[in-house]
Amino acid sequence: KNQVEQSPQSLIILEGKNCTLQCNYTVSPFSNLRWYKQDTGRGPVSLTIMTFSENTKSNGRYTATLDADTKQSSLHITASQLSDSASYICVVSAVGNKLVFGAGTILRVKS
Amino acid sequence: DVKVTQSSRYLVKRTGEKVFLECVQDMDHENMFWYRQDPGLGLRLIYFSYDVKMKEKGDIPEGYSVSREKKERFSLILESASTNQTSMYLCASRNRYEQYFGPGTRLTVT
Repeated sequence: KNQVEQSPQSLIILEGKNCTLQCNYTVSPFSNLRWYKQDTGRGPVSLTIMTFSENTKSNGRYTATLDADTKQSSLHITASQLSDSASYICVVSAVGNKLVFGAGTILRVKS
Repeated sequence: DVKVTQSSRYLVKRTGEKVFLECVQDMDHENMFWYRQDPGLGLRLIYFSYDVKMKEKGDIPEGYSVSREKKERFSLILESASTNQTSMYLCASRNRYEQYFGPGTRLTVT
């Protein structure tokens, strides 16, 4: 069964600290993996997209990693800001373009 | 910039009412999608459309129907709203490389 599991479900950190969000998947055959940021009351916005051959991709203070062998991805946020407070969703695309969504990690950054 | 707009940000409807959620995209995308999002469950696909007048059921189509009369517009219809359809509804359109989401409609059925 195609599944995407994210951990932790929620996370609270202090402004300026780093954090790492995890995504494990069982989607097969794998096409690509995306991380989205969803602000409260808004639609998701794409942060990164990685294909099978990519191990790391950065977007400003966001760095995503992908280990296709272990079927794990992480999203690392450096020097967190209050505006990073959001839900972060991992989405894995199977060949044939079927998208499988994780339930998301809710991040709260406090001052 | 790709823009996906949804007709309402918030809606409150009564049980049994017919509800229309409208979605418009301005990038000439062929593929459009309707999802619902509930806490702890992530996004679940209701219906999608790959061309005008074409539609396909997603993972949870029961209680919903859709209409795609024009390429830029994809409507989600709740024929008879029920309380278990209280949710956040997200529309998306897609090109070959990326899926773009609208801002969402938070629907409450009382």
